[in-house]
This record gives sequence, C-alpha cells and structure tokens, in this order.
Amino acid sequence: DIQLTQSPSSLSASVGDRVTITCRASQSISVFLNWYQQKPGKAPKLLVHGLSTLQSGVPSRFSGSGFGTDFTLTISNLQPEDFATYYCQQSYSSPEWTFGQGTKLEIK
Amino acid sequence: QVTLTESGPALVKPTQTLTLTCTFSGFSLRTGGLAVSWIRQPPGKALEWLARVDWDDDKYYNTSLKTRLTISKDTSKNEVVLVMTNMDPVDTATYFCARTDTYGRYCFDFWGQGTLVTVSS
Repeated sequence: DIQLTQSPSSLSASVGDRVTITCRASQSISVFLNWYQQKPGKAPKLLVHGLSTLQSGVPSRFSGSGFGTDFTLTISNLQPEDFATYYCQQSYSSPEWTFGQGTKLEIK
Repeated sequence: QVTLTESGPALVKPTQTLTLTCTFSGFSLRTGGLAVSWIRQPPGKALEWLARVDWDDDKYYNTSLKTRLTISKDTSKNEVVLVMTNMDPVDTATYFCARTDTYGRYCFDFWGQGTLVTVSS
C-alpha cells in the first residue's frame, strides 16, 4: 500500500491569505497525484488531477505542484467558499488508489 | 451532464449483508477507460477506496476487504451494485460511488452525493 501523509491536519487562515497544504507519499508516485475538496455533508469534488491540471471550472487560485514523493496544493487569495477539507489521492498504485487523511482549512 | 446516485438501506444489523446500488447517467460503462468505484467515509474520518468495476468488466477490490465485497454492473441499466457481507459497526460510513477515469486522468472525476449506512442492532 502507498501511504499518503498530509500536513498540517488542520489550518486556520483568513480571507485573502495564501495557504499551502503538503502531501507526502511513502514511495515515489511520479505525477499521479490528485486533490479533492470536501465541504461538510457533501461529496468530494475533484480540484486537480495529474499533479497540476485544474479540473474544468476550478478557479485559477488553486494550483498543484511537486514530483515523486512530495506534493503541495496552494490556494492563493483565499475566498470564503474555500474553507473546507482537502484530500490528496494517488493513482500510481493501480487499482488500490489511496487517499491522505485530509487537511481541514478553517477561517481564522 | 454526469450524475451518480447511491441507494440502499440506511440501517443494517451486525452480520447482515449490505447491498448498495449506484445509478448513473451522462456516461456509459461501454466507454473504454471508464469505471465506477465505491468509496466510503466513516463519520469524521478519511476516504477509503473499496472496489471498482471497469468498462470491460474487470473488477478490483480493496485487499483488506476483498473477502467481503462483490461489485457488479448492469450496463443496460446504467447501474453498479456493491455487496458487502458480514457488516459490523465499524462499517458505519457514508458510501459514495464515483466515476473513475482509468485511462487518461486517473482520478475520481464525478461523485454521487453519498448514502449514510449505520450498522447497529
């Protein structure tokens, strides 16, 4: 199993801030890393696939980067609708794609 | 427009068998590279992939749950069914189905709203 470890587990920030969430894989996963956003009581929503490609309709203030074992999701100019839980997910080890434990982004 | 909807019982007793149905529209499981996966999320916890059925009827299971899971599809009805045996209170979770791109983007690109299943006597 490939383990994904996200940090921090929770994060407080203000509207307009720039935040970075990190995801570390237990082995190299090349660029097979996706990011999802989940709001309370809702299904996860795909934000970024293949390391850095934004899903259609996702604002450009979201960006993904990294390679191998270390990855980041950056949100610039935080908006009120961005406060949610974020999950990374690897699709390198098929078919058992795994998720990180989540990072909860809260309003300061 | 791609939509997926999960259905099934909200409450099951320990040792019972759970059957969940995912009904979808806006795509076909005859399309190469597409699949439907089941993913669950216990209250307040992270997401866990359970099973996947591919367009060519290949089936895959979470290694730790493999003996308890069966996934199947009915392409003509646009349905995917997940059966989980010997339910336990630790299986209490919201169960999601998700369209899965296995050739190109390698991601869960569309999700159902989820169905909460509680295991309790």
